[in-house]
Amino acid sequence: SQQGEEDPQALSIQEGENATMNCSYKTSINNLQWYRQNSGRGLVHLILIRSNEREKHSGRLRVTLDTSKKSSSLLITASRAADTASYFCATVLDTGRRALTFGSGTRLQVQP
Amino acid sequence: EAQVTQNPRYLITVTGKKLTVTCSQNMNHEYMSWYRQDPGLGLRQIYYSMNVEVTDKGDVPEGYKVSRKEKRNFPLILESPSPNQTSLYFCASSLDWAWGLGGANVLTFGAGSRLTVL
Repeated sequence: SQQGEEDPQALSIQEGENATMNCSYKTSINNLQWYRQNSGRGLVHLILIRSNEREKHSGRLRVTLDTSKKSSSLLITASRAADTASYFCATVLDTGRRALTFGSGTRLQVQP
Repeated sequence: EAQVTQNPRYLITVTGKKLTVTCSQNMNHEYMSWYRQDPGLGLRQIYYSMNVEVTDKGDVPEGYKVSRKEKRNFPLILESPSPNQTSLYFCASSLDWAWGLGGANVLTFGAGSRLTVL
């Protein structure tokens, strides 16, 4: 199975509400990244959290990392309709492969 | 503006007709990579390049070729396209591969190339 499985697969909320997405992974990691993709467009990097960090903030985004549980969460506070997108976590599965492996993503729909 | 540019953005072609998807970055990045995105399968790496003249296979290299003759360009070549190569393709680049070893550089993606092979 893929490294970096997001949960839930889809999430629908109202504007102003918070959105939480979770990511689980199977191997030890150096860092974990979150990306956003608007429908059919390129991915945009949101935030990177290192393995020795537990929490990181960027604007309305908060990312946590629990290496003991091999999981990360992305919280978007006070969501807006413009936050509607798919969100992916990504990690390095194997440093010998020079690849960033992406999870299956969470589709977030923010209703105005 | 710092960016990764892919062309064409959309292409419909027929089985067996060779095609090239170009990718160019203006950020002097060493690392470049191609991904394909398919429903239910997520993003999968096709090929990557650590620097000029250094390329290697990703997870799904069959049916594809790449070259890295210049630092800024990393074209994806489909010598004989087949319908199972119908997909959304993304080129991405990074200053280097340090993110794989704990560094903070991240991938910058192109806008994508939607390819349909009939």
